[in-house]
Amino acid sequence: EVQLVQSGAEVKQPGESLRISCKGSGYTFTSYWIGWVRQMPGKGLEWMGIINPGDPDSRYSPSFQGQVTISVDTSIDTAYLHWSSLRASDTANYFCVRRRSSHYDTAPLAGYFDTWGQGTLVTVSS
Amino acid sequence: NFMLTQPHSVSESPGKTVTISCTRRGGSIATNFVQWYQQRPGSAPTTVIFEDYQRPSGVPDRFSGSIDSSSNSASLTISGLTTEDEADYFCQSHDVSSLVFGGGTKVTVL
Repeated sequence: EVQLVQSGAEVKQPGESLRISCKGSGYTFTSYWIGWVRQMPGKGLEWMGIINPGDPDSRYSPSFQGQVTISVDTSIDTAYLHWSSLRASDTANYFCVRRRSSHYDTAPLAGYFDTWGQGTLVTVSS
Repeated sequence: NFMLTQPHSVSESPGKTVTISCTRRGGSIATNFVQWYQQRPGSAPTTVIFEDYQRPSGVPDRFSGSIDSSSNSASLTISGLTTEDEADYFCQSHDVSSLVFGGGTKVTVL
């Protein structure tokens, strides 16, 4: 069974750093791009960025470029989302997603998210 | 850059049919595929439609997707509504530099 299992909820103070993780299993980790999606409380979904574990090429939403870093450790089939300095506005649920590529469009942002992690709730408060 | 606009909410009775629209502002809806994701309360989203009208295995054929170039919109239609269909639904597409979700539509089964 294909699964993405994320690390647990975090409570942090503004200015602190944080790295959350997403471990893939049940498939060849380096064969599928992994992305991150933010969902602020009571709000919709926002694409943050995506990385190719086999490359590792990465793309970021303009809204999140420079605000977060996406990385992978292929030795343990794990992707990460990292903040160097959290803000209260980073409070949200974060989902990692596996991108299934399209037969018709090979662009990195084409395809669809066929597997979602369970989400990691990050709370930033003083 | 582009945007995808959805109605905030729709409601209908069990057994009826609802259609959710997703209008692209900036670029043609037909240029890049549209996906639809269902998110039940407290759960992660799941895919119900990909590549405009394809259903992943396990998704019932009560769910269907379509594209209308004249209105530059995609639509998700759910027939034979059940209480299990109560959820938020998000459309999603991309262009060369960005991936965008619609704002989401809350479906209520009365």
